[in-house]
Amino acid sequence: AQSVTQPDIHITVSEGASLELRCNYSYGATPYLFWYVQSPGQGLQLLLKYFSGDTLVQGIKGFEAEFKRSQSSFNLRKPSVHWSDAAEYFCAVATTGRRIPTFGRGTSLIVHP
Amino acid sequence: KAGVTQTPRYLIKTRGQQVTLSCSPISGHRSVSWYQQTPGQGLQFLFEYFSETQRNKGNFPGRFSGRQFSNSRSEMNVSTLELGDSALYLCASRTDSTDTQYFGPGTRLTVL
Repeated sequence: AQSVTQPDIHITVSEGASLELRCNYSYGATPYLFWYVQSPGQGLQLLLKYFSGDTLVQGIKGFEAEFKRSQSSFNLRKPSVHWSDAAEYFCAVATTGRRIPTFGRGTSLIVHP
Repeated sequence: KAGVTQTPRYLIKTRGQQVTLSCSPISGHRSVSWYQQTPGQGLQFLFEYFSETQRNKGNFPGRFSGRQFSNSRSEMNVSTLELGDSALYLCASRTDSTDTQYFGPGTRLTVL
């Protein structure tokens, strides 16, 4: 079965600083990978996804993620964080078989002014 | 297109009661999945419905059930509520040709 690890429970950055949120997955074949963001009291919004092809994926709100098969990672990055980016971020993996995503435990992003 | 809608947004029940939550998917989406989100367990998959049939099921007790109607709208029911059922219940829909799920805002259930 697939699994997802987000090693950082909380991350604090200053506004304008760069950001990298880590995600590691466990799955034998090529996975489908996702990053979602959740603001307090809201549902999940899709930031970006990787199915195949170019390993650097661009998403909404200036986010990007890079799929590294050798490291089983799919880290999320943003060059300059805005205060409105403060939220919970979830990495998820799905497989070609079951197609139900498994979510990581999430990383809470705190942005200092 | 309108997004995924869930009703009600907030619900307070007492132990032993039952509750029904509703989800209307994005138009054209025939797959509806339900998730339970709690601080302790994170996001856990409950079940997926497609064309009125349960296609996948997570590891939840039989007190959790669902159904899907011919218009793809879905309901989930929790019977004999327990304190531990307090959670945000999220519904997500997708077409069958993609693995991208679109989530609703959730229903916050509090069991007293």
